[in-house]
Amino acid sequence: GAGVSQTPSNKVTEKGKYVELRCDPISGHTALYWYRQSLGQGPEFLIYFQGTGAADDSGLPNDRFFAVRPEGSVSTLKIQRTERGDSAVYLCASSPGLATRTDTQYFGPGTRLTVL
Amino acid sequence: DQQVKQNSPSLSVQEGRISILNCDYTNSMFDYFLWYKKYPAEGPTFLISISSIKDKNEDGRFTVFLNKSAKHLSLHIVPSQPGDSAVYFCAAKRDDKIIFGKGTRLHILP
Repeated sequence: GAGVSQTPSNKVTEKGKYVELRCDPISGHTALYWYRQSLGQGPEFLIYFQGTGAADDSGLPNDRFFAVRPEGSVSTLKIQRTERGDSAVYLCASSPGLATRTDTQYFGPGTRLTVL
Repeated sequence: DQQVKQNSPSLSVQEGRISILNCDYTNSMFDYFLWYKKYPAEGPTFLISISSIKDKNEDGRFTVFLNKSAKHLSLHIVPSQPGDSAVYFCAAKRDDKIIFGKGTRLHILP
C-alpha cells in the first residue's frame, strides 16, 4: 500500500510570505505527527493529532505555526509570516494510533522549505 | 538541552565487519527506545526498538543493547553491507512524541 506522502517536495518562498505544507498519511492511521529537521539536527517534534484533534501541540515554536486535520486524514501545516530561520525539512509521520507508546511511526519524504 | 545524544557525527566501517553506533540519554523517564535509518531525500525509516524492561533486542543483522544504569544504548550491525550506508538516528519515546538524537552518518567501505 501507499506510504505517507507529502507535497510539495520543495518549497521556496520569500521572507514574510505564508506557506502551506500537506501530508497524506497511510490510510487508516489515526495518529499523525509533524516534525521539523534543521540542517545537522535530528527531527524535532512539532504537533501530534489523534483523529481530527491536536492531542499535543507543545512543539510548535510560536503562534506563526498552525496545523489542521479537519477530516482526520490529510493534514496541513501552515506557517505565517515566514522567517529565514523556518528553513528546514518538514517531516510528517503517521501511525495506527492504537498504542502511541509502541506504535511504529512511518515517515514521509518531507518537504524542504527554503525561506529567502 | 539534548536529551538524546549521539556524540559521533560519522563512522566508517569496512564491509563485512561490525558497525557499532552509540547513543546516550539523560532522561530516566524514557521507557522505549528506537533506531531509525535515513537515506538522502527520504524520511527516516524505523529499524529496531527496545523497551526499557529489556537489555537486548535482535532482528536479523541488527541488535540493540540497552544499559539503563549508564543511560546508554547501542546498535550493532553485523555483518555490515554497502546498503547500510545511511544516517542513523537514536530516539526515545516520551508520551506520544519521539525525541531524536542528531544522527550518526555510517559509511560502509568496500
